[in-house]
Amino acid sequence: EPEVTQTPSHQVTQMGQEVILRCVPISNHLYFYWYRQILGQKVEFLVSFYNNEISEKSEIFDDQFSVERPDGSNFTLKIRSTKLEDSAMYFCASIQSPVNEKLFFGSGTQLSVL
Amino acid sequence: AQSVSQHNHHVILSEAASLELGCNYSYGGTVNLFWYVQYPGQHLQLLLKYFSGDPLVKGIKGFEAEFIKSKFSFNLRKPSVQWSDTAEYFCAVPGSQGNLIFGKGTKLSVKP
Repeated sequence: EPEVTQTPSHQVTQMGQEVILRCVPISNHLYFYWYRQILGQKVEFLVSFYNNEISEKSEIFDDQFSVERPDGSNFTLKIRSTKLEDSAMYFCASIQSPVNEKLFFGSGTQLSVL
Repeated sequence: AQSVSQHNHHVILSEAASLELGCNYSYGGTVNLFWYVQYPGQHLQLLLKYFSGDPLVKGIKGFEAEFIKSKFSFNLRKPSVQWSDTAEYFCAVPGSQGNLIFGKGTKLSVKP
């Protein structure tokens, strides 16, 4: 089965630093998502992306966050100035069509902000 | 607004015991319901989904779920759990734009 790949699997950073989390969605998928899961809490939606622009974002996705599809294959999440509370597992997902189909998730990037 | 709630935070069972994990949803449109599983150290995987038709849905690894419209429920069941079923289980409903809204998850620990 095709896979969504995420790198790195674990990122450690200092508070205030910028981080970029990388994802390679499945090649024929058109819709892309970022979710996060803070330890012990539920999986939360961050942002959805289609046709090179954000289609929806949650309250969590403030000005410190941005997404980009720089080269037609990668889909990145940037956190401009990390805070301690940004520590979480970040999941990328993609889908060919958003109508009732299965989301394909990556294995996640564990972000630790010190 | 769509929402989903899972009743149990942590369930501990012995092998061969039967499993039922509760999920209730609040959803204004056509009901589509999902169960995802996350094994330790792994990513989320789809267990099963309900779109329409037979309210009893069968998924992978012997899991099934029953959609009961009158109770707004979509409980996950397995007749006999194994140690390898130890994982966290998430119920989900669609939001707008194709995203999914997840419940808080139920951690299942199966004792060998």
